[in-house]
Amino acid sequence: AIQLTQSPSSLSASVGDRVTITCRASQGISSALAWYQQKPGKPPKVLIYDASSLESGVPSRFSGSGSGTDFTLAISSLQPEDFATYYCQQFNSYPFTFGQGTRLEIK
Amino acid sequence: QVQLQQWGAGLLKPSETLSLTCAVYGGSVSDYYWSWIRQPPGKGLEWIGEINHSGSTHYNPSLKSRVTISVDTSKNQFSLKLSSVTAADTAVYYCASLRFLEWFDAFDIWGPGTMVTVYS
Repeated sequence: AIQLTQSPSSLSASVGDRVTITCRASQGISSALAWYQQKPGKPPKVLIYDASSLESGVPSRFSGSGSGTDFTLAISSLQPEDFATYYCQQFNSYPFTFGQGTRLEIK
Repeated sequence: QVQLQQWGAGLLKPSETLSLTCAVYGGSVSDYYWSWIRQPPGKGLEWIGEINHSGSTHYNPSLKSRVTISVDTSKNQFSLKLSSVTAADTAVYYCASLRFLEWFDAFDIWGPGTMVTVYS
């Protein structure tokens, strides 16, 4: 199975900051990567698909980049509602796998 | 807009079979691919498996020997069965639609989740 390693595992930031989260795949996955945001007690919500495509209805401050083994999720100007846990997930091959998550906290 | 509603037993004893159902509203179960995903308390997400309208499935090898996912087009539902549960199967279980264009690209619609606890 393809392993996805996110860094950092947790991150403290302030409203208005720009933050980046990275996701590294154990083997090349082309652009078959999605990013999700999860808030406590809620299911995940897709933000980015195909590594860099913004899901409809998601604010443009979210962006994704990368291909192959290295990927990045960026949030350009943190808003209070962005403090959550973020997961990357690959669709390159079965079994579909998720990163371990990055918890974004308010500084 | 497709919405998912899920239900099933929330308390199980070791060796019992977990059984969950997910109903599709605002769309047809025949038009999409469907998955089950779980999340142990305080932990990350694990894909369990997928099914399409014709009943073709793929399962996570880590669970394959115990998992069955099925679809009932007459009821517009799909279901998960996980046999011989242990405490390690305690988790929130989500049903989700798996978007497919040229290939899969996102779990785009999620059910609210069902907490399943295995206790002895």
